[in-house]
Amino acid sequence: GQQVMQIPQYQHVQEGEDFTTYCNSSTTLSNIQWYKQRPGGHPVFLIQLVKSGEVKKQKRLTFQFGEAKKNSSLHITATQTTDVGTYFCAGNQAGTALIFGKGTTLSVSS
Amino acid sequence: NAGVTQTPKFQVLKTGQSMTLQCAQDMNHNSMYWYRQDPGMGLRLIYYSASEGTTDKGEVPNGYNVSRLNKREFSLRLESAAPSQTSVYFCASRAHGLAGGSDNEQFFGPGTRLTVL
Repeated sequence: GQQVMQIPQYQHVQEGEDFTTYCNSSTTLSNIQWYKQRPGGHPVFLIQLVKSGEVKKQKRLTFQFGEAKKNSSLHITATQTTDVGTYFCAGNQAGTALIFGKGTTLSVSS
Repeated sequence: NAGVTQTPKFQVLKTGQSMTLQCAQDMNHNSMYWYRQDPGMGLRLIYYSASEGTTDKGEVPNGYNVSRLNKREFSLRLESAAPSQTSVYFCASRAHGLAGGSDNEQFFGPGTRLTVL
């Protein structure tokens, strides 16, 4: 079945450093979504990418969708303590439910 | 709008007991989902309902049943709880069905933390 793999599982950075998490699918995706979950909270939608090679930015966050629509990345520039949490990618093929990656947990020390 | 609500927030069960987790959304969404979250395992889909009147199994359906009571409500039932079902359970909803679209984001409830002894 469809699988979505995410690396790394954990990442610790100093405040001000950059951070990247990568997502890979075993199959071509219709779209990919990114969610953030703060400690003790619930996942919150960040963004959706649909087009091959698409790049979207939200302030310090940059999201990319690969040309083959099988991989994606989230890059945070100059991390802040407010960026702490677990970042999930989730993808699906048309007509199927979203499959979530296992997430990357980011910790930031000041 | 309250969004997605879940009850209860916390629950402790003994092995073999049954219970129902309740979920409701007030956004007039068609699709609703139940996930469980375990450390290091991410979010795993238990059951989903693409539209009122339909339900389908997800990745980990064994030991669970669901009911899409109406468009607003989607409940998850554990008939005979086991320690392996200790987890955090999230309900989510989405505007459309399984196909992609501009309103494709999933909205999650606050979760139910379940412990089975």
